[in-house]
Order: sequence, then structure tokens, then C-alpha cells
Amino acid sequence: AQSVSQHNHHVILSEAASLELGCNYSYGGTVNLFWYVQYPGQHLQLLLKYFSGDPLVKGIKGFEAEFIKSKFSFNLRKPSVQWSDTAEYFCAVSRVYNFNKFYFGSGTKLNVKP
Amino acid sequence: GAVVSQHPSRVICKSGTSVKIECRSLDFQATTMFWYRQFPKQSLMLMATSNEGSKATYEQGVEKDKFLINHASLTLSTLTVTSAHPEDSSFYICSASDPLEQYFGPGTRLTVT
Repeated sequence: AQSVSQHNHHVILSEAASLELGCNYSYGGTVNLFWYVQYPGQHLQLLLKYFSGDPLVKGIKGFEAEFIKSKFSFNLRKPSVQWSDTAEYFCAVSRVYNFNKFYFGSGTKLNVKP
Repeated sequence: GAVVSQHPSRVICKSGTSVKIECRSLDFQATTMFWYRQFPKQSLMLMATSNEGSKATYEQGVEKDKFLINHASLTLSTLTVTSAHPEDSSFYICSASDPLEQYFGPGTRLTVT
């Protein structure tokens, strides 16, 4: 079945540690890729997105993600996390021919210890 | 970014009753809105695509007679959970899209007792 997988369900880091959250998808063909963040008590916000072009995408708040087509992956990274990055992170995929229809991963809860 | 609101944010209802959830795009017109359901510790599951002026498109496994969707204007979509049961208790999230992005509402926590 077609799916979006986030293998890390819960990650705990200390401030200044580096972060990498995995995202893999199983859809064939061309896709659009997204990372959303949900801070406690708030709605989903877009961190970054990839449609085409440079596979290394830079987003807000120092986040970046790299699309590796051969691995069907779109991992999220940040060199040095802050306590304020504590949140839940969702990877999402949409098909190019149906841009608006999103399929989400199960989310990764990140706790950053001060 | 664009703002999407949902009302109510939290609702408790008795089994067998119906509940309506509103989703509004506050600063842009959304031809298409989406309804998701989020179970605890799980992902957002797309329930249906709401198209202004036409019938909603439901995902496989979602009962269209149970989850009624109306998209009467370019800024408002409603989801009505009919004859609610405890297993319908969940977090319901809507989104509105423009050509480049989806904007999500804050969600509605439904508890059916």
C-alpha cells in the first residue's frame, strides 16, 4: 500500500544537538513533499516544501530537508536545536497531478531538553 | 500565511446526536477544503475533499452518510457527524488550499459520550 513513513516516533535531544528526522514514501511517480510542525496547542504550520529543482530545501527557523529520489526519502534536518523546537513534526506527500491531496506520516514528537 | 478557523474548538455530545463543525478561510477564497481526522498518536487521515458548489469526494472507507460535508461558499465548509457514536470521538482538522500550499485549522476535539 502507498504510504508515508516516519520511523522516529519520539525523539529526545538536548539543546544544541543536531536533528535528523526520517521520512520515506512509497508513491511512484512525481511527488510534492512537505514538512509541517505542530507546536503544543497550535495548528499545523508549514516548515518547508519541495516541488522541483534543488533537492536541498531550506525552510523557516533554520530547518532544511533533502529529497533523495532514489531512496524515496525527504529527511528533515537542523544543525542545532533549541528548546523552542519542541513540537510534533509531520511529513506529507502529494502527487503532482493532484497537488492538494496530502498523505501524512504518523508524526515525530520532538522533545528538546534545555 | 493564510488563516483558517474552526468552530467549535471542543465539543462533547451524547451518542446518537449530530454535531456540526465549521471551517472558515478568513483571508482568502478556497475552492477546495479538506477534512482530516487525527487519532491519538497517529497521523492525520484524509477523510474527504470538499469542493465549493459540488459534492464532496470521500476517501475509501469513510462513510459519506455519516460524515456530511457541505461547502456552500468559498470561505466556509461544514462537517456534520450524524448519529455520533463513541468511536467517532477524535480530533477533526480542516484545511484550505491555494495553488501553492494548504493552510490548516486549529482542529476540533469531538468527544461522544
